[in-house]
Amino acid sequence: DVKVTQSSRYLVKRTGEKVFLECVQDMDHENMFWYRQDPGLGLRLIYFSYDVKMKEKGDIPEGYSVSREKKERFSLILESASTNQTSMYLCASSLTFFGRTDTQYFGPGTRLTVL
Amino acid sequence: DAKTTQPPSMDCAEGRAANLPCNHSTISGNEYVYWYRQIHSQGPQYIIHGLKNNETNEMASLIITEDRKSSTLILPHATLRDTAVYYCIVRVGGDYKLSFGAGTTVTVRA
Repeated sequence: DVKVTQSSRYLVKRTGEKVFLECVQDMDHENMFWYRQDPGLGLRLIYFSYDVKMKEKGDIPEGYSVSREKKERFSLILESASTNQTSMYLCASSLTFFGRTDTQYFGPGTRLTVL
Repeated sequence: DAKTTQPPSMDCAEGRAANLPCNHSTISGNEYVYWYRQIHSQGPQYIIHGLKNNETNEMASLIITEDRKSSTLILPHATLRDTAVYYCIVRVGGDYKLSFGAGTTVTVRA
C-alpha cells in the first residue's frame, strides 16, 4: 500500500513564524502535491513537483514555498505565517502525472492554526 | 487564479444521469480539460480528459463545446458511490502547468 506521511497532524503557530510542513512517501512516486482544504472551498492546489528539485506553482502559491531535495520528501514552507493560512494542509503523491490511470494518494493532513 | 468555474453543488437521483458543467472561457488552444473527483477524504482520482473532441470511457462522457469555452461531464447512471466532489481542471498539454476549479459537490440520492 502507498503510504504518505505528514510530520504533524495538528500544529499551532504564531503570526510571523516560519513554518515547515513535511511530507514523505514510500512508493517512489515522481509527483507530489501540496493542497489546502477549507470548508466550502474544496481542494486548492498550492504547489506541486514532478521531479527532484523541480516545482511548479498551483493556483494559490502566494505566501508559500516548497522544497524537494529528495524524491520521497516534499516540504511546504510558510515564510511568515498569517492567520489566513489557518487551514487543513494535504500532501499527495502519484505515480503518473495526469495520466489515464492517475490516482493521487493523500497523507492524513496537517491542521494548522495560526494565532 | 483558477481558470475554471463550476457550480458549488448539485443533487442527482440514483440511476439518473448527472450532468456537471464547467466554464473555461479563457482556455487556450493547447490546454486540455481534465476531470477528477475526490470521494470523501481520499486523494483525487482521474475520470476523463479531452482537448476538443467528445470523449467517453467506462466511467463517464465528456462533452466539449465547439468553441471550447465550456464542457460537461456526464455520469450516465449515477450511483450512491458517485457522491463526491468533482473538479474540472485545465492543463497545458505536455507541460506541468495546470489549474484546478473550485469543484462541484455531487450528492446522489436513493
